[in-house]
Amino acid sequence: KAGVTQTPRYLIKTRGQQVTLSCSPISGHRSVSWYQQTPGQGLQFLFEYFSETQRNKGNFPGRFSGRQFSNSRSEMNVSTLELGDSALYLCASTPGSSGRKQFFGPGTRLTVL
Amino acid sequence: TQLLEQSPQFLSIQEGENLTVYCNSSSVFSSLQWYRQEPGEGPVLLVTVVTGGEVKKLKRLTFQFGDARKDSSLHITAAQPGDTGLYLCAGVGSGGSNYKLTFGKGTLLTVNP
Repeated sequence: KAGVTQTPRYLIKTRGQQVTLSCSPISGHRSVSWYQQTPGQGLQFLFEYFSETQRNKGNFPGRFSGRQFSNSRSEMNVSTLELGDSALYLCASTPGSSGRKQFFGPGTRLTVL
Repeated sequence: TQLLEQSPQFLSIQEGENLTVYCNSSSVFSSLQWYRQEPGEGPVLLVTVVTGGEVKKLKRLTFQFGDARKDSSLHITAAQPGDTGLYLCAGVGSGGSNYKLTFGKGTLLTVNP
């Protein structure tokens, strides 16, 4: 099986712009979670989708949003980008409804100038 | 809020040495996972420990879950340069939050030849 894929791998944006990141989970996986990784804060949970429904959201402002499509692919969007949004954004997929075994993609490195 | 603290934050050792990294929390988790992340990649799951007091071995790596399921350790014997990477522990919530991982900030291990 192919692993979790994320596109694009690298992205450079300027403050105030918006960005959309994409994640394709492993075939058959229905749950997709998003995380933000920075050197200072480590990996922080953004949100998780299961069967096109957001089940929970982390402590991020409303500028961060996401969605999941019927084929389980997921996108996350960040509007009005700030310098502090520069980070590695990781997507992870899970076979079932439990988070016990998550498979991570390589991430999208977002740089905000 | 469940928090996981990892120590040490950085560790640089010579090939052949032994090391232990720690993961501590004031919260109880249903299970705890250890990941290794290499530059440019997403975290890769090494092991999941579920039962208090559980010990799991993966070649030269030994993982232990504390009796109270609040802490864990990772011991590496005779470290090799290929062990270099960021080691992350992650707690899996219980009940309705079993899809969510809470990560520590990681231990960056460098094994010098």
